[in-house]
Amino acid sequence: AQSVTQLDSHVSVSEGTPVLLRCNYSSSYSPSLFWYVQHPNKGLQLLLKYTSAATLVKGINGFEAEFKKSETSFHLTKPSAHMSDAAEYFCVVSTGYGSSNTGKLIFGQGTTLQVKP
Amino acid sequence: EPEVTQTPSHQVTQMGQEVILRCVPISNHLYFYWYRQILGQKVEFLVSFYNNEISEKSEIFDDQFSVERPDGSNFTLKIRSTKLEDSAMYFCASSKNQPQHFGDGTRLSIL
Repeated sequence: AQSVTQLDSHVSVSEGTPVLLRCNYSSSYSPSLFWYVQHPNKGLQLLLKYTSAATLVKGINGFEAEFKKSETSFHLTKPSAHMSDAAEYFCVVSTGYGSSNTGKLIFGQGTTLQVKP
Repeated sequence: EPEVTQTPSHQVTQMGQEVILRCVPISNHLYFYWYRQILGQKVEFLVSFYNNEISEKSEIFDDQFSVERPDGSNFTLKIRSTKLEDSAMYFCASSKNQPQHFGDGTRLSIL
């Protein structure tokens, strides 16, 4: 069965410093992985997706994630944090497989990113 | 860019009452989903819907829950007799395949 574990419930960085949000996954086959962001009182917005193409995935707002099969990780990074990045971030795996799968999503517990001025 | 829209944004209901949460998926999407997030907990899958029938449902989605696509645009989640533990944020999502696109959610408060 698929699952994801977000290793930090809360991450605090200073504006302009790098961001690292950690996620490990478990899957019996090559997974489809996603990062979603949730700003206060807003819905879930897709940041980026990995569907077995390039292992380094670029997303919106300067975020990227690297799929590492050997480490079963899919960490989210950004070189320089902005105040507007403060939000809840979810690492997500799909229960389907392939680029056209329609399986349900399984969410991690979420990581709250705080950005200090 | 097309969006998934959900109404209402906040619903307050007495325990035991029926509630209907409404969603308008993106127009050319074929797969529809409901998820919920109880305060302080993970986002959980409830049900997926394709071709006018449920394709998968979780253990949470018991007989008190139902979904419907009454016309070509709306996708609804009905809770027949609400319980206190149904208080949560409910998210609708739609997709052609992946990724799924989410609405802003309906906050359901059961009193």
